[in-house]
Amino acid sequence: DTGVSQDPRHKITKRGQNVTFRCDPISEHNRLYWYRQTLGQGPEFLTYFQNEAQLEKSRLLSDRFSAERPKGSFSTLEIQRTEQGDSAMYLCASSLPGWGRVAEAFFGQGTRLTVV
Amino acid sequence: RKEVEQDPGPFNVPEGATVAFNCTYSNSASQSFFWYRQDCRKEPKLLMSVYSSGNEDGRFTAQLNRASQYISLLIRDSKLSDSATYLCVVNGEGSQGNLIFGKGTKLSVKP
Repeated sequence: DTGVSQDPRHKITKRGQNVTFRCDPISEHNRLYWYRQTLGQGPEFLTYFQNEAQLEKSRLLSDRFSAERPKGSFSTLEIQRTEQGDSAMYLCASSLPGWGRVAEAFFGQGTRLTVV
Repeated sequence: RKEVEQDPGPFNVPEGATVAFNCTYSNSASQSFFWYRQDCRKEPKLLMSVYSSGNEDGRFTAQLNRASQYISLLIRDSKLSDSATYLCVVNGEGSQGNLIFGKGTKLSVKP
């Protein structure tokens, strides 16, 4: 399978615990995005990398959230001290460089987080 | 004004109908526009990019109106399998890399 891969697919955690999600992008894609989606809403932008550089973070992203892409390949998203409001689907997407525009992004199947 | 706005619907149409969705965006400097489709509890999947001259892919036609800052999606001869949520996507303010999604328009095609 050469698509975007996310792990785990589902995560249930107790409030206050830390969780980490992994995303493996399509191999030749240098851009990687993280989104969060709750029921009835569109995906909400969290952050984006070009290679290993984190180029943008949403103002909505609290300091409990951190993302890394250390070698410009896979990425991790960590949430510290989880809260019930963090329950959502966390989506990762990747794309090629845009050559003057933003290229189409392709999504993984997501990690569904439930905080109890 | 929200960055990307869509009518949430739902649009309930019979098979064979033609249906159109509109989406407005706030950043006049946006350069990249897409329509994605999302099935229930699945990830968004790219339906089509939207180019300045408009583009067509089978039963689907996308149009861009830069002056009025809206994009549209037309689906002809609707199929039951077209039932999904359609997400309008525009690159956001301040960065070429930030893709902003609308909340989506839900389409339900009935037999």
